[in-house]
Amino acid sequence: EAGVTQSPTHLIKTRGQQATLRCSPISGHTSVYWYQQALGLGLQFLLWYDEGEERNRGNFPPRFSGRQFPNYSSELNVNALELEDSALYLCASSFPGLAANEQFFGPGTRLTVL
Amino acid sequence: AQSVTQLDSQVPVFEEAPVELRCNYSSSVSVYLFWYVQYPNQGLQLLLKYLSGSTLVESINGFEAEFNKSQTSFHLRKPSVHISDTAEYFCAVSPLNDYKLSFGAGTTVTVRA
Repeated sequence: EAGVTQSPTHLIKTRGQQATLRCSPISGHTSVYWYQQALGLGLQFLLWYDEGEERNRGNFPPRFSGRQFPNYSSELNVNALELEDSALYLCASSFPGLAANEQFFGPGTRLTVL
Repeated sequence: AQSVTQLDSQVPVFEEAPVELRCNYSSSVSVYLFWYVQYPNQGLQLLLKYLSGSTLVESINGFEAEFNKSQTSFHLRKPSVHISDTAEYFCAVSPLNDYKLSFGAGTTVTVRA
C-alpha cells in the first residue's frame, strides 16, 4: 500500500511569490492535515481538510490556504511568501474509523524562501 | 487547549545504553498520546500510542512508554539503543473529541558507538 506522497520534495521561491504544495493521502483516507516544521518552532498544525471541507485551522495568517479535491488529494497555497515561511511542510492523512485518529505522515516538502 | 513539553532537547547516548525521553502534557480534556520518530531527512513515523487500557505501551522495535495520569506524563524508554535509533522524537497529544495533534518541541537522540 502506497503511503502519503508529497510534491515537490524541494521548492525554492523568492519573497513575495506564491508557493503551491501538493499531497496525496493513503488510498481510502478522507482527511488530510498540514503541518509546518520551522527551525526553532517545532511542528505547528496548519490546516485540516475532510471530505472536501476545511474542518480546522491553526494560528496562521490567511495567506496560508488550501483545498481538498474530490479524490481527497490536497493543495497548500502560501501567498506573499515571507522569509520566515521557510520550513518543512508535512502532510498527514487519516480516516475517521481509525482508532484515536492515527495520522500517517508524508516525507514533506522543504520550502526555502530567499 | 493542549500543550506538550519535552524536557530534553538533546540526548546523547552510547550504543547499548538505556535512554529515557521525558514528555509532560497539559490538557483540560482527556487525550490520546503519541510518540513519533523522524529520521534524518524523512517524515514522521508513529512509534507508539496510548489510547486506553494498560498504561504501558510497547513498539515493535523495543521502545516503550508509560502513561501516568496523575503526573500527566508519557515518558519514552528503551533499555538498549542502537546507532539506528539516532533520530528526533516527538511527543504529541490529541483530544478525544478532536483531530488536531499538538506536538512537543522534539528531542534529538544521538547514539554513538
